[in-house]
Amino acid sequence: EAQVTQNPRYLITVTGKKLTVTCSQNMNHEYMSWYRQDPGLGLRQIYYSMNVEVTDKGDVPEGYKVSRKEKRNFPLILESPSPNQTSLYFCASSFPSGRSSYEQYFGPGTRLTVT
Amino acid sequence: GDSVTQMEGPVTLSEEAFLTINCTYTATGYPSLFWYVQYPGEGLQLLLKATKADDKGSNKGFEATYRKETTSFHLEKGSVQVSDSAVYFCALILLTGRRALTFGSGTRLQVQP
Repeated sequence: EAQVTQNPRYLITVTGKKLTVTCSQNMNHEYMSWYRQDPGLGLRQIYYSMNVEVTDKGDVPEGYKVSRKEKRNFPLILESPSPNQTSLYFCASSFPSGRSSYEQYFGPGTRLTVT
Repeated sequence: GDSVTQMEGPVTLSEEAFLTINCTYTATGYPSLFWYVQYPGEGLQLLLKATKADDKGSNKGFEATYRKETTSFHLEKGSVQVSDSAVYFCALILLTGRRALTFGSGTRLQVQP
């Protein structure tokens, strides 16, 4: 089954304790992206990756890091989480340019609470 | 910058009622348009899409038409069901640059039996 998976689905942590949220897709997509969802704000892009070893900032990159060492994986790293990073996080992937409409496939989400 | 505006919720309807959720957009280029749906406790699922003016996207009884002249992409369904209760997001993407989806703030639909 074609899918995007994220782990963990739920995480409660404390300020300053480094954490990683994993994202993996099995569709051989070149493009991957992280979004955060906050009430009343919709989803905002954090980072994206056009391909292996190619990453760049989205709209709200502060406090986050990413890496793309393999095509299928795109982990999101919070080196020193703060309470304002409490949010619902989504990973997404899609085909590269040339395919129709850049339709993005989303993972199930990771609900992060930072106390 | 690019933006999407959709009607505030929640929208509460009785089963079999007609649904319209308004969506308008502002974009610097020629976007593709989407409606995503988020059921309680789940991720986002693509509901329908349209890639050029006058295209009509449709799926599961939902429809939306890409109106370039009014920069709109309103979601409609003729007869809603309780199972349609969810949050609906209108979104656009430009086919250049970083290909980020720009989302509206979401509209919660509650359908009562």
